[in-house]
Amino acid sequence: QVQLVQSGVEVKKPGASVKVSCKASGYIFTNYHMHWVRQAPGQGLEWVGIINPSGGSTTYAQKFQGRVTMTRDTSTSTVYMELSSLESDDTAVYYCAREHGGWWNWGQGTLVTVSS
Amino acid sequence: DIQMTQSPSSLSASVGDRVTITCRASQGIRNYLAWFQQKPGKAPKSLIYAASTLQGGVPSKFSGSGSGTDFTLNISSLQPEDFATYYCQQYNSYPITFGQGTRLEIK
Repeated sequence: QVQLVQSGVEVKKPGASVKVSCKASGYIFTNYHMHWVRQAPGQGLEWVGIINPSGGSTTYAQKFQGRVTMTRDTSTSTVYMELSSLESDDTAVYYCAREHGGWWNWGQGTLVTVSS
Repeated sequence: DIQMTQSPSSLSASVGDRVTITCRASQGIRNYLAWFQQKPGKAPKSLIYAASTLQGGVPSKFSGSGSGTDFTLNISSLQPEDFATYYCQQYNSYPITFGQGTRLEIK
């Protein structure tokens, strides 16, 4: 079965960067796009961007352009999301999610806390 | 960006009730509409995609309809495990956008 296992809790200071990983299993990694979505405490869902694990192409939400980088390692079936210049507003749970024609399988989420 | 507006924002209902949640897109999205359920402290879970298609394993008590700009999610015969927050999402174009969520609470 499809499994997405994300890296653990991160605590960062303002201005720092964070890199979250998402290891996929149970399917052919390069066949399905992977999204990143975040959820601030008590808030709704916000799309960050998408990566095509096959060629590595990406599309980011304009809000995060210049601050986010999504990459993948096909040898380990892992995608990464790096967010730089962190601010307190970036405190959120970050989810990876595999898309299959509109159907999403979600990782368990990674809490990123930005605090001085 | 396409704005997704859900109504109501919150809803109180009793076990056994049937409820309807609506989602309106700021422009036409054909049928590229998905619904998700989220329980506190958990990742969202897919319920419906392509406006009305349930994936295997999702109970038939959930149903979706609509096309263009107006969509609905119906949940029949509410059970305690159905009380959660529901989100619609358009995937017709980037950026993908979500509704603000509808919190379904037990009356």
